[in-house]
Amino acid sequence: NAGVTQTPKFQVLKTGQSMTLQCAQDMNHNSMYWYRQDPGMGLRLIYYSASEGTTDKGEVPNGYNVSRLNKREFSLRLESAAPSQTSVYFCASSMRTYYEQYFGPGTRLTVT
Amino acid sequence: QKEVEQNSGPLSVPEGAIASLNCTYSDRVSQSFFWYRQYSGKSPELIMSIYSNGDKEDGRFTAQLNKASQYVSLLIRDSQPSDSATYLCAVRGFSNDYKLSFGAGTTVTVRA
Repeated sequence: NAGVTQTPKFQVLKTGQSMTLQCAQDMNHNSMYWYRQDPGMGLRLIYYSASEGTTDKGEVPNGYNVSRLNKREFSLRLESAAPSQTSVYFCASSMRTYYEQYFGPGTRLTVT
Repeated sequence: QKEVEQNSGPLSVPEGAIASLNCTYSDRVSQSFFWYRQYSGKSPELIMSIYSNGDKEDGRFTAQLNKASQYVSLLIRDSQPSDSATYLCAVRGFSNDYKLSFGAGTTVTVRA
């Protein structure tokens, strides 16, 4: 039982490049989330998926897109990376929307 | 006004002492409250959830909730060096469509 897994662990992009962050959970959770964490800002919700087939914007969705591929997988795409997107990205999942959330190990992204 | 506020610390306590962390929130009708522990460079780990007024104990951790005063606290008894981490308070509110709002965290250092 791996919990929530994320790939890659580290990534460096140049401004304007695109990439997709992958997330998968094996806990049969219904809801999945993408957060970013910046120093002094706390965790901020980018997008979430309350259940398979649905996605909704969070607090800071600009510059990102998501796909809920199936119940297990939820990906985050940066279409044209900007230095302001340098951050640590966490995927999380929960059985019920916005209740106990379990986090993946994170992806450290640097955009130069 | 931030939705969830925590003292950033650092809170330094000697080994064996009680560490007391506080969190206040602005949404009066918030219903669910969570404490996460985050070690440096790692992802948040859920350690406590509390939904009703009063105390909830789990091992060396006690969460205390007072909805009338809009605060939730976390006590760590018999603090150990392994408790040195940043503790995040999260609140599920009503005003932001029941999304989780995270505080910026309190850093705790336990001195051996």
